[in-house]
Amino acid sequence: QVQLVQSGAEVKKPGASVKVSCKASGHTFNDYYIHWVRQAPGQGLEWVGWIRPKNGGTFYAQNFQGRVTMTRDASISTDYMELWGLRSDDTAVYYCARAGGVIIEVCDHWGQGTLVTVSS
Amino acid sequence: ETVMTQSPATLSVSPGERVTLSCRASQSVSRNLAWYQQKSGQAPRLLIYIASTRATGVPARFSGSGSGTDFTLTISSLQSEDFAVYYCKQYHTWPLTFGGGTKVEIK
Repeated sequence: QVQLVQSGAEVKKPGASVKVSCKASGHTFNDYYIHWVRQAPGQGLEWVGWIRPKNGGTFYAQNFQGRVTMTRDASISTDYMELWGLRSDDTAVYYCARAGGVIIEVCDHWGQGTLVTVSS
Repeated sequence: ETVMTQSPATLSVSPGERVTLSCRASQSVSRNLAWYQQKSGQAPRLLIYIASTRATGVPARFSGSGSGTDFTLTISSLQSEDFAVYYCKQYHTWPLTFGGGTKVEIK
C-alpha cells in the first residue's frame, strides 16, 4: 500500500535550518507531486509548496519564498523540505502529502508528520 | 489570496444526527474544492474533491455540494469515528488555502 514515512522530530534554535525527509513506497515515485503542509500547535493547515515529479520543478507559497527549498532523490524515492532562518512561529508539524492521481492539487495520501520545534 | 471561512468553528452533535458544515470562499473557486478530515494526533485524510466527489474508501454518508463561493459537507448520520476536525481547501488559485476548520465534537 502507499506509504509516506517522514523523518523524526527536530529541535532547532532560532536562525538555524531544518531538513525534513519523506520516503515514499507503494507507488511509482515519479508519477506523483509531493506537497508540504504545516500545522502550528492547535492551529489549522497551511500550504507550504510542492515539487513536481520527473523534473523536480517547485512552487512555493509566497510566505515561504526565499526560506524554503524542496528537492527529491528519485534513486531512494525520497523528497526533502529544507526551511532556514527558523523562527519560533515556524514551530509546527510538517506533513508531506502525495498528489496527482486525479488532480495535482488534491492530496490523497499523507505522511505521519514531523514536529519541528524552534526554541532558544 | 483566496480566504476560506468555515462555520461554525465547533459543532456539538450526538451520534446518528445529520451534520452540515459550511465553507465560504472570498472569491469564486468554481468547483475546485476539497474536504479533509483530521482526527486528533493524525494526519489529514482526503474525503471529497471537485466539491462533491468522494475519495476512495470514503463512506457514502459523507457528501459534498456547492460551487463558486459556497460549499457544504454533509454527514448524513454521524458515527462515533466521525468526531474530528474538518477542513475545506480551495485549489482554484495560488496559493492553495485551507479554511480554519470545524471541530465536530460529542454532545
